[in-house]
Amino acid sequence: ETGVTQTPRHLVMGMTNKKSLKCEQHLGHNAMYWYKQSAKKPLELMFVYNFKEQTENNSVPSRFSPECPNSSHLFLHLHTLQPEDSALYLCASSQDAGGDTDTQYFGPGTRLTVL
Amino acid sequence: AQSVTQLDSHVSVSEGTPVLLRCNYSSSYSPSLFWYVQHPNKGLQLLLKYTSAATLVKGINGFEAEFKKSETSFHLTKPSAHMSDAAEYFCVGRPRARGSYGKLTFGQGTILTVHP
Repeated sequence: ETGVTQTPRHLVMGMTNKKSLKCEQHLGHNAMYWYKQSAKKPLELMFVYNFKEQTENNSVPSRFSPECPNSSHLFLHLHTLQPEDSALYLCASSQDAGGDTDTQYFGPGTRLTVL
Repeated sequence: AQSVTQLDSHVSVSEGTPVLLRCNYSSSYSPSLFWYVQHPNKGLQLLLKYTSAATLVKGINGFEAEFKKSETSFHLTKPSAHMSDAAEYFCVGRPRARGSYGKLTFGQGTILTVHP
């Protein structure tokens, strides 16, 4: 798990707050991902960055705003969230999102609770 | 289109007995297939992956899986369960086509319980 780190591990915020989730990968990868894992639902891909370019936005509401300043860092900026946004947010990285045999490695996640 | 189906939402075994977690896939493309494990309040850890080399894939912690094209299956097995194997397991597929840009398809997950 030390290959992909996420901070904070737990976050509680009100609906009017602004906060950011941070992900860092130490694997020399070029692609990074945000996923949402809600109770009793499959993992949902939110965003993909490949070589710092956003290649996927899976119809995510604008209250979630990703930022990828370089290949090692990925942020998810949060504002005016809803209680249904409470979930485990997982970051992943891989060598090349477009690669035929690409493999994703996951961080430990941030448990977000929106009050 | 691709789909991944885990046939059991819960599996319960006794420590020291074999583990079988079942996964079927359907894909328009020859897929890459993965098994990940998630312990409570942790991220997903890669157990093993199939990318068209050997059909029998060995992973970490004594797990292995066999890709059977004729049955469109990729079941996960372990000869002898350990208490530390208790977790949720995800079968995951990815079409091996350029431009798929990381679009994994996750199964619903199987919760493995190991009894002493």
